[in-house]
Amino acid sequence: DGGITQSPKYLFRKEGQNVTLSCEQNLNHDAMYWYRQDPGQGLRLIYYSQIVNDFQKGDIAEGYSVSREKKESFPLTVTSAQKNPTAFYLCASRLGARGFTEAFFGQGTRLTVV
Amino acid sequence: GQQVMQIPQYQHVQEGEDFTTYCNSSTTLSNIQWYKQRPGGHPVFLIQLVKSGEVKKQKRLTFQFGEAKKNSSLHITATQTTDVGTYFCAWGSPGANNLFFGTGTRLTVIP
Repeated sequence: DGGITQSPKYLFRKEGQNVTLSCEQNLNHDAMYWYRQDPGQGLRLIYYSQIVNDFQKGDIAEGYSVSREKKESFPLTVTSAQKNPTAFYLCASRLGARGFTEAFFGQGTRLTVV
Repeated sequence: GQQVMQIPQYQHVQEGEDFTTYCNSSTTLSNIQWYKQRPGGHPVFLIQLVKSGEVKKQKRLTFQFGEAKKNSSLHITATQTTDVGTYFCAWGSPGANNLFFGTGTRLTVIP
């Protein structure tokens, strides 16, 4: 079954701890994306990657880090430097072709920092 | 950078009424996409518009891309309760493979 898998669905962490959110796709897509969504808000781009070993900052990259060592995987680390990390995090992917293809989303990870 | 405003932020309609959401850009867009997110779900692609003045229809949904490629709209005719959700427009920077989303319009349909 092809698609994007985000894990876990719910995540609780103590303030000051780093936490890594997983995103795996088996769609053979080149580009992958991480978004943050706050209640009643739109999707804000954190990081994106067009190809393995390459990634670019989005609008709200501060306090986050990513890696793209494999085409299938694009994990997001929420560091202790992120001042307000509690949010819904969505991962997406799409074929290359410079933005003319649809994005497919994972089910999301809801992170709560206490 | 590109500034794209999506309006309205919220819309409540009686079932059977029409609904429209708009995205307006300060600069020309290469293309625009529309997504729907059901409550508790993730965004799902609806359509992509590329050409100036393009109009596409999907059953009760009509999508338009302005002649100047600076604005776009999604119109739903005779809303149903299944239309409930948040509708987002999305676009990318020229020559890049990023993808930005509008703030969304949250549609509530009152039976």
